[in-house]
Amino acid sequence: ETGVTQTPRHLVMGMTNKKSLKCEQHLGHNAMYWYKQSAKKPLELMFVYSLEERVENNSVPSRFSPECPNSSHLFLHLHTLQPEDSALYLCASSQDSWGWEQFFGPGTRLTVL
Amino acid sequence: TQLLEQSPQFLSIQEGENLTVYCNSSSVFSSLQWYRQEPGEGPVLLVTVVTGGEVKKLKRLTFQFGDARKDSSLHITAAQPGDTGLYLCAGELTSLKLIFGTGTRLQVFP
Repeated sequence: ETGVTQTPRHLVMGMTNKKSLKCEQHLGHNAMYWYKQSAKKPLELMFVYSLEERVENNSVPSRFSPECPNSSHLFLHLHTLQPEDSALYLCASSQDSWGWEQFFGPGTRLTVL
Repeated sequence: TQLLEQSPQFLSIQEGENLTVYCNSSSVFSSLQWYRQEPGEGPVLLVTVVTGGEVKKLKRLTFQFGDARKDSSLHITAAQPGDTGLYLCAGELTSLKLIFGTGTRLQVFP
């Protein structure tokens, strides 16, 4: 595997379910990100991890819980979501340095019923 | 709240036409990146511009960073169907924080 991978690619869940999104990067980067992309809003930064420490939490509701066990893996744990949380969730990685590009995974398309 | 406005929001053109996409903000950025996103994929970086007034060319794509580092433009010459996609500008606030633009969805018809 190369680049940034995300699983699952599609997820349908009820509002009372608990699920997790997984992201893995094979690029040797030291920073990882979660973004939310919905139809009518710009790409929104949710969380940033650098060297496995959370350095940014962009006012995200507590029903989204990130976890970064090491520099290659990032999880987003989901519980009691709302229908308005339906969106494409993108993971990205980069070097923690000015001007470095972010490499994105293909995303998980989440639908909350 | 920092906001990057892109215009136009949607653009449908015929193959061979030229187009320009604009990215504007009231904030100053240390650098600005342009990404293209195709359906079912994540955004992919096209270019990074760093210096105010900088112009970069990537084959038929020309990118410009405004003198004040608050705005940018992307010009495509002789568009092709393969240029179809969602174009996103992103301003770098810190080494770990990008603010993404509202997006321009481009459709190029053969």
